[in-house]
Formats: sequence, C-alpha cells, structure tokens
Amino acid sequence: GAVVSQHPSWVICKSGTSVKIECRSLDFQATTMFWYRQFPKQSLMLMATSNEGSKATYEQGVEKDKFLINHASLTLSTLTVTSAHPEDSSFYICSARTGLQETQYFGPGTRLLVL
Amino acid sequence: KNEVEQSPQNLTAQEGEFITINCSYSVGISALHWLQQHPGGGIVSLFMLSSGKKKHGRLIATINIQEKHSSLHITASHPRDSAVYICAVRFFNYQLIWGAGTKLIIKP
Repeated sequence: GAVVSQHPSWVICKSGTSVKIECRSLDFQATTMFWYRQFPKQSLMLMATSNEGSKATYEQGVEKDKFLINHASLTLSTLTVTSAHPEDSSFYICSARTGLQETQYFGPGTRLLVL
Repeated sequence: KNEVEQSPQNLTAQEGEFITINCSYSVGISALHWLQQHPGGGIVSLFMLSSGKKKHGRLIATINIQEKHSSLHITASHPRDSAVYICAVRFFNYQLIWGAGTKLIIKP
C-alpha cells in the first residue's frame, strides 16, 4: 500500500531556532500534500494544502510566514517552523494523495518540543 | 454552515462487545473518512465513503446520505482496538472538517 514517511519523528529545539520537517511519499506520486497539527487531547487541525509546484494554501489563522511549506517534487514536501516558540510545540502530521483520489495516506507524525 | 459532530466523545467497553461510533454532518458532502489514531499518534485511514457500506475485517462503515449520518462499527472488539476514531468530512465546497474524535477503550 501507499506509504508516507516523516522525518524526523521527534525533535527538540531551542526557542528562536527554525525546524524543518520532511514528508515523503515512498511508493506513489503525491500531487497533493496536507499538513496538520494536533495539540494534546485535541483533534487534528489542517494547516495547509500544497500541490506540487504551486504555493501552499493556508487555512485561516495559520501564519504562512511562520510555517513555510515547500512541495518541490511529487514525493517530497517540507514544513519549516521558523523562529519556533514553546507554543509551537505540537504533533505535526502530513498526509498525501495522488491525482483526484479522495484517500489520504498519513505519515507517522513528528513531535516538536520547543524549549 | 459546514459542521461535523461525532459521538460519543468517550466510550469504554468490554472485550467482545459490538461498538458503534457515530458521525453527523450538516450539509451535502462528497466524501466521508473514518480514521484511527493510535496512542502514539500514528493515524491510519480506515474507510472513505460516499455512499452505502464498506467492510474490512471486523470494521464496518455505513453512510446514509439522506440522513447525513455515518456510523463506524467494530464487531467482537478487542483491546488492540483501543484508539481514537475520527471522522472527517469533505464538503462540496471542498472544505475538510474533522470531528472531535471518539476515544475508545476496550477492557480485557
């Protein structure tokens, strides 16, 4: 089946630094990738949708200058949390789909802790 | 307004019981997803429905378009089924809204 990987699986960083999270589709071409975040005991929140080769579409309330998304190829999307602060500590999950299919394949998630 | 409601919020049951989790939505949709999130955070897509019923192993998902309602059933529940189950709805205006999730605990 379709596999999506994320790297790193967890990261601890100092406040003010930038963190890059990678999302890869391993055995299919991901024309669309989604980035979510999840706070403890809360549901997933869609942050942005990115189509390969295009600028990401951010959901209302998500700072595009803080959460930089790049989807430069059909198998890789990156989320960069710039100048991270403790309130950015969260669980970040990506998902990917191909073409017009509805099914999304989820990555295992990345736990970010900003000290 | 696009809305998704999931119930119950928490559910504890004994091993072997038949489990039902419900998801209701406000207006017409193009697809509804059921997902399972394990305690470690990993998410597995269980079903995608636009009509009718789907079955995979002990899991059954149904959707009633007229009533704007979907159910996820687990037969012969097992402790390893303990997880958070989430429904997500894709509305015709392409908006994707997630339910709050149902935390399921199956006791041995």
